[in-house]
Amino acid sequence: GNSVTQMEGPVTLSEEAFLTINCTYTATGYPSLFWYVQYPGEGLQLLLKATKADDKGSNKGFEATYRKETTSFHLEKGSVQVSDSAVYFCALKGAESNYQLIWGAGTKLIIKP
Amino acid sequence: EAGVAQSPRYKIIEKRQSVAFWCNPISGHATLYWYQQILGQGPKLLIQFQNNGVVDDSQLPKDRFSAERLKGVDSTLKIQPAKLEDSAVYLCASSSQMNTEAFFGQGTRLTVV
Repeated sequence: GNSVTQMEGPVTLSEEAFLTINCTYTATGYPSLFWYVQYPGEGLQLLLKATKADDKGSNKGFEATYRKETTSFHLEKGSVQVSDSAVYFCALKGAESNYQLIWGAGTKLIIKP
Repeated sequence: EAGVAQSPRYKIIEKRQSVAFWCNPISGHATLYWYQQILGQGPKLLIQFQNNGVVDDSQLPKDRFSAERLKGVDSTLKIQPAKLEDSAVYLCASSSQMNTEAFFGQGTRLTVV
């Protein structure tokens, strides 16, 4: 069945550092891929998405590219800020799983000033 | 465009009491989801509706949880009777169709004492 694996946290970085959070998936067909962010005490917000191979999703300085050959959707940002501290979830939606969101375990990101 | 609305934001009840949560999805969204998120974990799907029909409720503890979406718009989730382990954030999400991105409400934080 479909599954998502993302790197364990917490990830601790200094402000202005480069960020990568790894996400790999297992799925048949061509699922859509998402990154959601959850700030402390808040609900989940869609950060970015990609719906087909080689698509690049981007938002608020974050980027992720749908890599079919490596089944990956790694999240990157060139220069993180303290306000980026949150939990980041990688997820996919595909026909095989009845279009339910299949979630990674989440990665807590801590940015120190 | 208004987002997904949920109420209440917070609820504290004693075990064995009942509680209900309400969700109003984004206007025109056919698919509605209820998730349970325990602190430190990813969301767990409880039930998925397509219009007013249930697509998947395989992880809904049906002996105590019930959900309805009678007119295919807003939805209620009920727990009766509540247990201590039901303490969690209950998230509602909606998407325009099953294969499109889901948007989440702020959630209801339930504490069972």
